[in-house]
Amino acid sequence: ETGVTQTPRHLVMGMTNKKSLKCEQHLGHNAMYWYKQSAKKPLELMFVYNFKEQTENNSVPSRFSPECPNSSHLFLHLHTLQPEDSALYLCASSQDGGNYGYTFGSGTRLTVV
Amino acid sequence: DQQVKQNSPSLSVQEGRISILNCDYTNSMFDYFLWYKKYPAEGPTFLISISSIKDKNEDGRFTVFLNKSAKHLSLHIVPSQPGDSAVYFCAAVSGGYNKLIFGAGTRLAVHP
Repeated sequence: ETGVTQTPRHLVMGMTNKKSLKCEQHLGHNAMYWYKQSAKKPLELMFVYNFKEQTENNSVPSRFSPECPNSSHLFLHLHTLQPEDSALYLCASSQDGGNYGYTFGSGTRLTVV
Repeated sequence: DQQVKQNSPSLSVQEGRISILNCDYTNSMFDYFLWYKKYPAEGPTFLISISSIKDKNEDGRFTVFLNKSAKHLSLHIVPSQPGDSAVYFCAAVSGGYNKLIFGAGTRLAVHP
């Protein structure tokens, strides 16, 4: 297993559901990120973790709750989402102090109904 | 307010010709710029980068040009191939802090 792995690839959830997105990296990187990609909009940075510590929360609503138990795993817990939260959620990792080259996962396509 | 802008949502180019993708930025503190390529159902993959102390970086068919005075960079693909058809994202970072700021992307279609 190499690179950055995200599960599930697709998720459909109701507005009252609770679900979690998982990200795992096998690259030995020490920084991990959640990005949101909506149609025709820039990739929006949501959260940054360096050495398991959250260093950035880009004004994300509390219905999105990240968790980073170790430097290889990152979760995004979802609760009472809205239809406008439907998007592609991308996880990435990098080596802090490196050449800024992120490695992205394939993303989770989330649909909120 | 978007700090990194890709004003062309799409571009269509004939195979063998040059593809030029453009990106503008507003933050003069950005010191490193990157291009990512994204196929459907996959995450973005790193393509090429350039430091703000340079004005050109070349890697095979891909060349990135940086014009700091105009706060503009461009990606040239020569010759374009059908496999280059993808969405291309421009990204920038400043101050050694690992926080990439992305543009909205340009969808490139290379047709035979």
